[in-house]
Amino acid sequence: ETGVTQTPRHLVMGMTNKKSLKCEQHLGHNAMYWYKQSAKKPLELMFVYNFKEQTENNSVPSRFSPECPNSSHLFLHLHTLQPEDSALYLCASSLSIAGAQPQHFGDGTRLSIL
Amino acid sequence: SQQGEEDPQALSIQEGENATMNCSYKTSINNLQWYRQNSGRGLVHLILIRSNEREKHSGRLRVTLDTSKKSSSLLITASRAADTASYFCATDAPNSGGSNYKLTFGKGTLLTVNP
Repeated sequence: ETGVTQTPRHLVMGMTNKKSLKCEQHLGHNAMYWYKQSAKKPLELMFVYNFKEQTENNSVPSRFSPECPNSSHLFLHLHTLQPEDSALYLCASSLSIAGAQPQHFGDGTRLSIL
Repeated sequence: SQQGEEDPQALSIQEGENATMNCSYKTSINNLQWYRQNSGRGLVHLILIRSNEREKHSGRLRVTLDTSKKSSSLLITASRAADTASYFCATDAPNSGGSNYKLTFGKGTLLTVNP
């Protein structure tokens, strides 16, 4: 148990569907992150939130829309995705966005786009 | 752009042997972290070493950092089958904006420990 919970664990959706990924952390952290992990590629940072405010959008297409209603919850809203968006989406949290902060990861949502 | 790069890409050893994985990076860093990922799970933080440190230990883990060569190594001693996982290095590099919180990960080393 890492203290970071992601739901659902698996998601299959068509390109025209709308779905949302959810992340919740019980660690009292103030920073939360979305990463994309594709086969044979390094982990890609997508978004960073610090005290509910977005501080980083790593040139992510607008079909991915993050939402952070409070420091404990993070969502990733998905709309009109492409087959290349199939990947493992990982949420992480850390105490702050300052350097030298270990990140705590959830077990991810395995997303498959038909 | 990819900062850290692990070597080898895959490593297979027998239980009880030591496993050494290496990480090279391109630009100067504040600190370097190692993570483990079991199949189908998220990443787990193992150890953090700061740029002014040369070696750090945690249980059966030993991490070294050579900033002159821009490289780090992770040694797992007396390996166990449960150590089978992918291992990633992540660098935390300073930037001009001062917001040095972006971790850049490598592609990882897949370690298999055979019973």
